[in-house]
Amino acid sequence: SAVISQKPSRDICQRGTSLTIQCQVDSQVTMMFWYRQQPGQSLTLIATANQGSEATYESGFVIDKFPISRPNLTFSTLTVSNMSPEDSSIYLCSVGQPLDTQYFGPGTRLTVL
Amino acid sequence: GEDVEQSLFLSVREGDSSVINCTYTDSSSTYLYWYKQEPGAGLQLLTYIFSNMDMKQDQRLTVLLNKKDKHLSLRIADTQTGDSAIYFCADSAHGNTGKLIFGQGTTLQVKP
Repeated sequence: SAVISQKPSRDICQRGTSLTIQCQVDSQVTMMFWYRQQPGQSLTLIATANQGSEATYESGFVIDKFPISRPNLTFSTLTVSNMSPEDSSIYLCSVGQPLDTQYFGPGTRLTVL
Repeated sequence: GEDVEQSLFLSVREGDSSVINCTYTDSSSTYLYWYKQEPGAGLQLLTYIFSNMDMKQDQRLTVLLNKKDKHLSLRIADTQTGDSAIYFCADSAHGNTGKLIFGQGTTLQVKP
């Protein structure tokens, strides 16, 4: 299985600021995704991070609010822009290969004041 | 759209078996997964089952899949206090795109 790390592991941010979360994998993977887990809730897919092209966003998520980069097959970033308290969540990246299992990073716990 | 449903809470005594149930709606699912989330931690992949299988056993874990009824279950034998966590069922919606649809999660409480 892939080893996935995320930075930062947690942060407390002020309203109106932006935070960039990094996801690093120890091997090349085809698929990388970003999920959000709001307090006491399940996971919701934000977007698929596509290597070398724009991310594919799910309904309810837009690029201006959650810009994503994926410069290569082992690294991706998610930025949470112009934050409000409603953005307080755990943000998780996950990786997988087609027709194979999917693994999750440890998550980034974000609190917006 | 696709949906995954789970009961929210299960309480068992240490040493008993736990059965966590899940239903899904997507008939094109390729894989179905069980993830475990302990307090303050990320998601740990526990096990998964390919859609053409009925059962998969892995040590204390048994997964049963009823494709006709779109029902998935996770049985944990000899449940321990360390098994206390939230268990998420996930469906690989849209075939092999990799997207997962998660259930609400079942909180398993194991009493000593």
